Amino acid sequence: GAVVSQHPSRVICKSGTSVKIECRSLDFQATTMFWYRQFPKQSLMLMATSNEGSKATYEQGVEKDKFLINHASLTLSTLTVTSAHPEDSSFYICSARARGFGSGANVLTFGAGSRLTVL
Amino acid sequence: SQQGEEDPQALSIQEGENATMNCSYKTSINNLQWYRQNSGRGLVHLILIRSNEREKHSGRLRVTLDTSKKSSSLLITASRAADTASYFCAHTDKLIFGTGTRLQVFP
Repeated sequence: GAVVSQHPSRVICKSGTSVKIECRSLDFQATTMFWYRQFPKQSLMLMATSNEGSKATYEQGVEKDKFLINHASLTLSTLTVTSAHPEDSSFYICSARARGFGSGANVLTFGAGSRLTVL
Repeated sequence: SQQGEEDPQALSIQEGENATMNCSYKTSINNLQWYRQNSGRGLVHLILIRSNEREKHSGRLRVTLDTSKKSSSLLITASRAADTASYFCAHTDKLIFGTGTRLQVFP
């Protein structure tokens, strides 16, 4: 089945530094990837939609200059948290929609998530 | 907010019992999906039910959909300790997730 690899699974960084999280579709091409943020015991909040070859679409309230998304190929999307602050500490999850699926076109495959801790 | 809600927010049961979780949503949908999340992990797709379907089964899972009430339910029969996880419903192309139900199954 479709597999999405997300890396790193955990990262600790100092305030002011930037952190890059990668999301790769391993056995399928993903024209669309989604990035979510999840706080403890809460639901996933969609941050942005990443479309291969074009600019990401950000949800209301998400700073695009803060959370840089690049989807340069059909198998890789990256989220860069720039100038990270402690309030950016969270669990970030990516998901991908496979291209060419029939009835399953709207089913997403999720990465395992990345836990970011900003000191 | 388009976010739906699940209830209960938390559910604790014994192994062998059935677990029922409900989901309400606000917009019109083409389909509704249920996902499972183990603590600190990504989500795993469980089942999809289309708007023209009323009930769907997959193993020990049974999902119902009532579009007139904008609600869905997920039933896990004969629960196991390994079913302990959070369960989310999701809808729309962007998959707007509900608030989730944290299920704890005690052995």
